[in-house]
Amino acid sequence: EVQLLESGGGLVQPGGSLRLSCAASGFTLKNYAMRWVRQAPGKGLEWVSTISVDGAGTYYADSVKGRFTISRDISKNSLYLQLNTLRAEDTALYYCAKTSGDSFDSWGQGTLVTVSS
Amino acid sequence: QSALTQPRSVSGSPGQSVTISCTGTSRDVGGYKYVSWYQQLPGKAPKLMIFDVTERPSGVPDRFSGSKSGNTASLTISGLQAEDEADYHCCSYAGNYIWVFGGGTKLTVL
Repeated sequence: EVQLLESGGGLVQPGGSLRLSCAASGFTLKNYAMRWVRQAPGKGLEWVSTISVDGAGTYYADSVKGRFTISRDISKNSLYLQLNTLRAEDTALYYCAKTSGDSFDSWGQGTLVTVSS
Repeated sequence: QSALTQPRSVSGSPGQSVTISCTGTSRDVGGYKYVSWYQQLPGKAPKLMIFDVTERPSGVPDRFSGSKSGNTASLTISGLQAEDEADYHCCSYAGNYIWVFGGGTKLTVL
């Protein structure tokens, strides 16, 4: 059974940093592109970032480009998202998602990031 | 990277059919066969219901169907059941390794 478990969220001041983790089980990370999606309180979903199957390609939404970095550790079967220069508008529940073609076929339960002074 | 447009809410009675629209542009919905739909129950993670415009993952009831015409994709739920009450989100590939979601639609089963 595919499982994704996010961690690393919390309360951070504007301008601060956080590193989110997503531990995968039930499948091998290196065989799939992976994505991060966020959901601000009471709002819709927003695609944040993708890492390609071979890990060489990384892609970002304009709203986070230059501030967030996606990465993975195959040996730990884990996905990461480094969040820098955080803003109030980055406050959201952050989900990691496994891809199937161009869809998001498995999701974690999310980790909450709150940016506030 | 503008969000796709969905109605904020739709409703229907048990047994009826409802359709949720998702409008984009020729650069996303109209340009690719990569529209997907997600069901999000209250307090839960999204669940894939439709991919590649019309395809259903294993385990999703055939009451759920997808379609597309021009720049608008649609999710139709027939034989509405109380357990279908949830938020529904559409998503489309927009080229250049970018994906865009809609704002989400709240489905109420009366």
